[in-house]
Amino acid sequence: GAVVSQHPSRVICKSGTSVKIECRSLDFQATTMFWYRQFPKQSLMLMATSNEGSKATYEQGVEKDKFLINHASLTLSTLTVTSAHPEDSSFYICSAHGGLGTDTQYFGPGTRLTVL
Amino acid sequence: AQSVTQLDSQVPVFEEAPVELRCNYSSSVSVYLFWYVQYPNQGLQLLLKYLSGSTLVKGINGFEAEFNKSQTSFHLRKPSVHISDTAEYFCAVSDRGGAQKLVFGQGTRLTINP
Repeated sequence: GAVVSQHPSRVICKSGTSVKIECRSLDFQATTMFWYRQFPKQSLMLMATSNEGSKATYEQGVEKDKFLINHASLTLSTLTVTSAHPEDSSFYICSAHGGLGTDTQYFGPGTRLTVL
Repeated sequence: AQSVTQLDSQVPVFEEAPVELRCNYSSSVSVYLFWYVQYPNQGLQLLLKYLSGSTLVKGINGFEAEFNKSQTSFHLRKPSVHISDTAEYFCAVSDRGGAQKLVFGQGTRLTINP
């Protein structure tokens, strides 16, 4: 089956610093990647949709200048949390979709971000 | 816009008993429905999906779900659960297959007791 990886799996940073999270599709080309955020004991909330070679589409209420998304290739998307604050602490999960003719998103294992 | 409601936040069940996790959705367009499972500190794994055709869908790990359009439901069932089924289960809907945005329910925590 399709495999999606995320790096790092866990990160702890100081308030005010920036953190980059990578999402890679290992055995298929992902035309679209999605970034989700999950607070403890809650569901996944879509943050943005990322298409290769174009700007990401952000959901309402998500600050695009704070959560920078880059989808530079068909196998890699990155999420950078800029000037992180404790309220940004969360579980960030990406998913990848293979484009036309496919119907399933494949999820990465998630990244636990803790901002001190 | 779509929405998904999982009616039970927690479901405790004894091992080898049957289980049903309920999911209802609302949408103004044709939908595609998914069930995902999440183990602690992990991402989501697809259990099964309904895109079209037979309303009874079989998935991995012995799970199945039935799409009921008139009741706008997609309940997940398993006839006999195992300890290893303890996890969080999410129902999700999209309006154009998995290519488009998934809207998730709140999740149901399934706990299997020995």
